[in-house]
Amino acid sequence: QQPVQSPQAVILREGEDAVINCSSSKALYSVHWYRQKHGEAPVFLMILLKGGEQKGHEKISASFNEKKQQSSLYLTASQLSYSGTYFCGTERALRGGGKLIFGQGTELSVKP
Amino acid sequence: GAGVSQSPRYKVAKRGQDVALRCDPISGHVSLFWYQQALGQGPEFLTYFQNEAQLDKSGLPSDRFFAERPEGSVSTLKIQRTQQEDSAVYLCASSLGTGTQPQHFGDGTRLSIL
Repeated sequence: QQPVQSPQAVILREGEDAVINCSSSKALYSVHWYRQKHGEAPVFLMILLKGGEQKGHEKISASFNEKKQQSSLYLTASQLSYSGTYFCGTERALRGGGKLIFGQGTELSVKP
Repeated sequence: GAGVSQSPRYKVAKRGQDVALRCDPISGHVSLFWYQQALGQGPEFLTYFQNEAQLDKSGLPSDRFFAERPEGSVSTLKIQRTQQEDSAVYLCASSLGTGTQPQHFGDGTRLSIL
């Protein structure tokens, strides 16, 4: 079952912060975050494993709440380069081979 | 090259024709995935290979879709008797090992069926 992302779209001014959520009704083993710019390949950001850990990548970090089966992506002090569509990909079982079920995406626009 | 390479970049075909889409993964990557991405949607899983073995093809929409990876490197996704609803971007991704690993995507093949 497809995870649900919220919000669907967000517009920021450069330097502002944003949070993107990814929720699943099923138990998850891991959550993967990707950013895709129009006409380009999705680019890997980070993986969160069950256990509630938080990871960081430059000014982008994420957390995974196993109780809620929800992951959140935090973008701080946004830059113009952060614009794009963000997807979470969920993995339900370690033995799934890495098969990901993606959310519908969150479109982020950062304006000067 | 350093990344995942897909060809052709764009493909236009008439309804009923067969098409073949190629994916050249990162050298040494064991796992290879095919996804279908409709406009404005997230990628949707089609099939997965570990080396030359196709371990999961649960996402293939119909028996018109067929994928292979005969030598455990390059993969081909073939669609027979194409239909308009097959129009989409087809993404290939590879990862170093099995299980939970970052997947590295190619730029995709944009398929348009007229």
